[in-house]
Formats: sequence, C-alpha cells, structure tokens
Amino acid sequence: SQQGEEDPQALSIQEGENATMNCSYKTSINNLQWYRQNSGRGLVHLILIRSNEREKHSGRLRVTLDTSKKSSSLLITASRAADTASYFCATDIFQGAQKLVFGQGTRLTINP
Amino acid sequence: NAGVTQTPKFQVLKTGQSMTLQCAQDMNHNSMYWYRQDPGMGLRLIYYSASEGTTDKGEVPNGYNVSRLNKREFSLRLESAAPSQTSVYFCASSQAPGGYGYTFGSGTRLTVV
Repeated sequence: SQQGEEDPQALSIQEGENATMNCSYKTSINNLQWYRQNSGRGLVHLILIRSNEREKHSGRLRVTLDTSKKSSSLLITASRAADTASYFCATDIFQGAQKLVFGQGTRLTINP
Repeated sequence: NAGVTQTPKFQVLKTGQSMTLQCAQDMNHNSMYWYRQDPGMGLRLIYYSASEGTTDKGEVPNGYNVSRLNKREFSLRLESAAPSQTSVYFCASSQAPGGYGYTFGSGTRLTVV
C-alpha cells in the first residue's frame, strides 16, 4: 500500500477561493515534500517541511505537518486558474536507503 | 539552466524490442532517480543512484537496468519491452539522497504494442 495518500483525489473550486489538500502517511519521515504537476509535464518541487517543523509558508502556499497524526496539509490561498494541476505529497523516508515515496496525487481544478 | 533533460520525449516500441532512455542533469547533483507514472498509481521508483558509481533497485525494478555513466548522466534500459511497461518515465536528480527537493525532467511517454 502507498506510504502517502492524498485526500481528496479531486477538488474543483472557484477562482479566488482557498484550496486545501491533505496527505497521510504510515511510517516515520525525515521530511515531507509537495510537488505540482501540470498536465503532460514533469513534477515541480513546491515546498519541503522537515519532521521537526510544524508549519511552513511560501508565497500563497502554506504547509502544515502533524507527525503525531502522520498527516500534512497544503493550503493554496486566493487560487488562480494557473494553479490547476495535480499536487503530490512525497515522504522522505529511510528504507535501507534514503528514498522519496510519492502519493497518488490530488487533481485540482480552478474554475474561472 | 536546462536542469534535467530526458530523451526521447515519445517512443513506441514493439513487444520484445529494447531501448535506452537517456537522462542528463547540469546542476552538479549527486543523486539521480528513475520513476514511472501510471494512472492512479502515482510515481513509483524504478532505480536510483545515490552517488556516482552506485545504483540500487527501487520499488519496481523488474525488466529494467540502469547505468550511471558519470555524474551528469543516468540511463534506463529496457532489454525486452513488454506492454506492462507502457508508462510515462521521469528522471529526477537531487543534491543528496535525503533532505533535498528533487528536480524532474519533462518525461518520456513510452508505448509498448
């Protein structure tokens, strides 16, 4: 089963609204990362939050991490049409070697 | 400022054919990775190279081989392609195995018929 699971699988909101995506994971992590993927393109790194951090901001992005609940959330404020993409959480874990394990992603659609 | 470059972008193979996917990065990163992306499955790690001269299996290595040619280049070879290998393949690199974000290439869309 997946180490990281995003919720919801798909999200559709109006431009200007806030979008929240959640990620749950199973094992201890070194850090957790969020990536964006536009249709037909590669993944783009958005933000990294370390296991000893609880919240991190980058522009319109806010990431929280709760290691006791093994969960993270990504908030995009004041959404724009250009934010339409798939968003993936990835957990940096040690399984024999350091690895980044991706969830299945949340498909975000921003309606104009 | 190319980042991670993958070639080719598209490829159609017949079952049993072989091919090599090429990946090069110009960021002086130590670690490189190959992932495949299938609908509803997220990204799954095929092989990785933590540093020049080392390679290790990931989650789904069967049917693939890799070569870390030098610090810049990491190739993925399919010796005898199967329809189950139809997928989008992504190469990525990072400064070190842990603690850093990955930079991804734009992907190779492979269809095996």
